[in-house]
Amino acid sequence: AQSVTQLDSHVSVSEGTPVLLRCNYSSSYSPSLFWYVQHPNKGLQLLLKYTSAATLVKGINGFEAEFKKSETSFHLTKPSAHMSDAAEYFCVVSDQINAGGTSYGKLTFGQGTILTVHP
Amino acid sequence: DAGVIQSPRHEVTEMGQEVTLRCKPISGHNSLFWYRQTMMRGLELLIYFNNNVPIDDSGMPEDRFSAKMPNASFSTLKIQPSEPRDSAVYFCASSSLAVRTDTQYFGPGTRLTVL
Repeated sequence: AQSVTQLDSHVSVSEGTPVLLRCNYSSSYSPSLFWYVQHPNKGLQLLLKYTSAATLVKGINGFEAEFKKSETSFHLTKPSAHMSDAAEYFCVVSDQINAGGTSYGKLTFGQGTILTVHP
Repeated sequence: DAGVIQSPRHEVTEMGQEVTLRCKPISGHNSLFWYRQTMMRGLELLIYFNNNVPIDDSGMPEDRFSAKMPNASFSTLKIQPSEPRDSAVYFCASSSLAVRTDTQYFGPGTRLTVL
């Protein structure tokens, strides 16, 4: 069964400093991995995704993530934090599963990491 | 592009009442998902529709929950009767292919409070 562990429930950084949000996954085979961001009282927005192409994935707003199979990790980074980056971030794994006579990509979410950015 | 539309955005009701949440997926997407977000359990999939047909409802918590998709542009999630433990944010998401590489696009959510 697939699972995702976000290693930090809260991360606090100063504006202009690097951001690192850690994620480890477990999957039966080569998964697809996503990072979503949720600003307060808003829906989830896709930041980036890995689908077995390049292991370094660039996303929106300067974020990127590196897929490391040997470490089963997919950490999210940004060189310089902005105040607008303050939000909750979810690491997500998608595995193809069988249900109802068909198969589909089922998402499993991590518990989320709340990023706080100080001026 | 309007994105996934959900209504209402907030719903406050009393225990025992029927609650209906609504979702309009992105035009052209044939896969629709309902999720529930709570502090205790995080984000969990409730049900998945493909071409308006329910495919996987293993996440529906109990018989009080039901979901329908009468056409490609509309889905409902109904709770009858509602209970305080149903209080959560309910998200609808849609995708075009529903394969593991495909992106799911989320609506803004409905925040449900059951008193």
